[in-house]
Amino acid sequence: SQELEQSPQSLIVQEGKNLTINCTSSKTLYGLYWYKQKYGEGLIFLMMLQKGGEEKSHEKITAKLDEKKQQSSLHITASQPSHAGIYLCGADGREAGGTSYGKLTFGQGTILTVHP
Amino acid sequence: ETGVTQTPRHLVMGMTNKKSLKCEQHLGHNAMYWYKQSAKKPLELMFVYSLEERVENNSVPSRFSPECPNSSHLFLHLHTLQPEDSALYLCASSQFAGGPHNEQFFGPGTRLTVL
Repeated sequence: SQELEQSPQSLIVQEGKNLTINCTSSKTLYGLYWYKQKYGEGLIFLMMLQKGGEEKSHEKITAKLDEKKQQSSLHITASQPSHAGIYLCGADGREAGGTSYGKLTFGQGTILTVHP
Repeated sequence: ETGVTQTPRHLVMGMTNKKSLKCEQHLGHNAMYWYKQSAKKPLELMFVYSLEERVENNSVPSRFSPECPNSSHLFLHLHTLQPEDSALYLCASSQFAGGPHNEQFFGPGTRLTVL
């Protein structure tokens, strides 16, 4: 089965600083999803990456998928307290040539704290 | 109501109780999911329904019984649970189950405590 490793597990930054969260897969990624979660609440969809080398941005958050499609990074520029939360990466569980029936495997999450 | 809603938001039950969690999606999606989120463990997929048919059962104990009467509603029936079943239960929906661009939209979750 596919496993996702996120690093770091937690991150504390000062407001205005840039930061990066990494997500590494044990297998080729056929779809990589980034979500944000406030503690004890549901997940908010951020971005989805599919192609090797793909990069997407939304406001101050940029996500990238490497060419080999086994690692993704989430970069936040000029962090704000509103960016605080738990960031999770999720991978499409599809094997080559198969179907995943929507099964997403998630990393353990990265807890981000932003001090004003 | 918009998006994905879940009720109740909090539930405390004894091990001999029977209760149900409800999820409703207002997005016109065809697939719905139940996830379990325990402390210090990755989010775990429990069940997947596609067009009201269960297509994935991720080795979940029979004390959890899902029901999908139509594409907008999903239930999780609980009976004789154990304290280790205490967790945040999240419901999600997506346009289809599987395929590219399978963005899943999540509800706020039900915080379940089993005494």
